[in-house]
Amino acid sequence: QKEVEQDPGPLSVPEGAIVSLNCTYSNSAFQYFMWYRQYSRKGPELLMYTYSSGNKEDGRFTAQVDKSSKYISLFIRDSQPSDSATYLCAMTSGTGNQFYFGTGTSLTVIP
Amino acid sequence: GAVVSQHPSRVICKSGTSVKIECRSLDFQATTMFWYRQFPKQSLMLMATSNEGSKATYEQGVEKDKFLINHASLTLSTLTVTSAHPEDSSFYICSADSGQGYNEQFFGPGTRLTVL
Repeated sequence: QKEVEQDPGPLSVPEGAIVSLNCTYSNSAFQYFMWYRQYSRKGPELLMYTYSSGNKEDGRFTAQVDKSSKYISLFIRDSQPSDSATYLCAMTSGTGNQFYFGTGTSLTVIP
Repeated sequence: GAVVSQHPSRVICKSGTSVKIECRSLDFQATTMFWYRQFPKQSLMLMATSNEGSKATYEQGVEKDKFLINHASLTLSTLTVTSAHPEDSSFYICSADSGQGYNEQFFGPGTRLTVL
C-alpha cells in the first residue's frame, strides 16, 4: 500500500466551478499536510500547508485535514483557467524531513 | 519567499556520458537538500537526501555510484548522473530545506534530462 493515494484524474471543469481534490494516507504519524501546484515542466510551488486536523483558507483555496479518517482535501472556488495545473498533496511527520507525495491530480479549467 | 535555482534547465546528452546538475538556494542557507526524479504523469520520487558536509542518504533502489551527490556548501548541492543511459531520461527536481517550522521544502524549477 502506498503511503499516499491520490486520484490522478484528469479532472476537467468549467471556469467558475468549485474544484475538490483529495488524498488519503496510511501513516498516522503524518502531522503536516501540504498542497503543491505544478505547471508543466516546472518545479512544484507550495500553495498551502496545514498542521494536524482542521481547515485553512487562503483566498480561493481551502485546505481541510481529517486525521481521524486520514483524508485531506483542497477546494478551489471560482476556478480560473490559470488554475490549470497538476496538484500534488504531500505530507510529513515533521521529523526526518522526508516528504511523501501523492501522484498528483491533473486539472484543466475550461474558459 | 525562498528561491531555489537549478542549472541547467534542460540537457540532452549521448548515452555513456556524465551529466552534472546544480541546485542552489539563492537567499537562504540549506543544511539539507533533496533530489527527486519525476517521470511523466507520475509523482516525485525521492532519490536521496543531501546534508552539507556529509555523505548523501540514498533511497532504496537508487544506485549511489550512478547518481553522485555532493553538498559542498550550505547553498549548493550537485547531482551527477554517471554513464547516463536512455532509461535515466527524466525530470530531476531538487528542493532545499529552509530549516523553518516543519522544515518546509522549497523546490527548484527542475532539470529535464534526455539521454539519446
